[in-house]
Amino acid sequence: DTAVSQTPKYLVTQMGNDKSIKCEQNLGHDTMYWYKQDSKKFLKIMFSYNNKELIINETVPNRFSPKSPDKAHLNLHINSLELGDSAVYFCASSQPQGDTQYFGPGTRLTVL
Amino acid sequence: TQLLEQSPQFLSIQEGENLTVYCNSSSVFSSLQWYRQEPGEGPVLLVTVVTGGEVKKLKRLTFQFGDARKDSSLHITAAQTGDTGLYLCALTGGGNKLTFGTGTQLKVEL
Repeated sequence: DTAVSQTPKYLVTQMGNDKSIKCEQNLGHDTMYWYKQDSKKFLKIMFSYNNKELIINETVPNRFSPKSPDKAHLNLHINSLELGDSAVYFCASSQPQGDTQYFGPGTRLTVL
Repeated sequence: TQLLEQSPQFLSIQEGENLTVYCNSSSVFSSLQWYRQEPGEGPVLLVTVVTGGEVKKLKRLTFQFGDARKDSSLHITAAQTGDTGLYLCALTGGGNKLTFGTGTQLKVEL
């Protein structure tokens, strides 16, 4: 069974479109995260949620809006996509004070 | 924001060779994690080091935390093709926020 899953795996879209990436974890964790990995492989946190409450919001444009319908899901919605949004987006989860974060397989977003 | 510099950025070696990658910071950190990311996958935690001077071993991988708590190293003995991947060090901050290093891309060839 996959611990942290993301859909879709690949997403190719035009500039200006709105898209969503879904994330689900079956580990029973309370905390979920979104990270962005750029073309140079630099990985940076975007958001974290603890039990559906926003904890971390790192200077991310407000075109990005995370949504947590329940503590097992944290979806990422992106409005008005720009070329610079092209990257690999990773979802992760952990216990609130746990030192181990479990990452999903990533979603490669390409904006044309 | 604490910056973690990793070196080398790229490393290509033959199977059976030994290698060391480094993670350095200008500031002291309380603990550090090492992750490996294989192509097309997310990072996977290898180890957490918390004590200055600490050494941890994971099969052929040896992790060391500097005495001054500003640097860490990962040594791989007798590298195998399965060791190929991106090696990332990371700090844990408030709210479990991970701050990742710049990464070392390792390729091990037959």
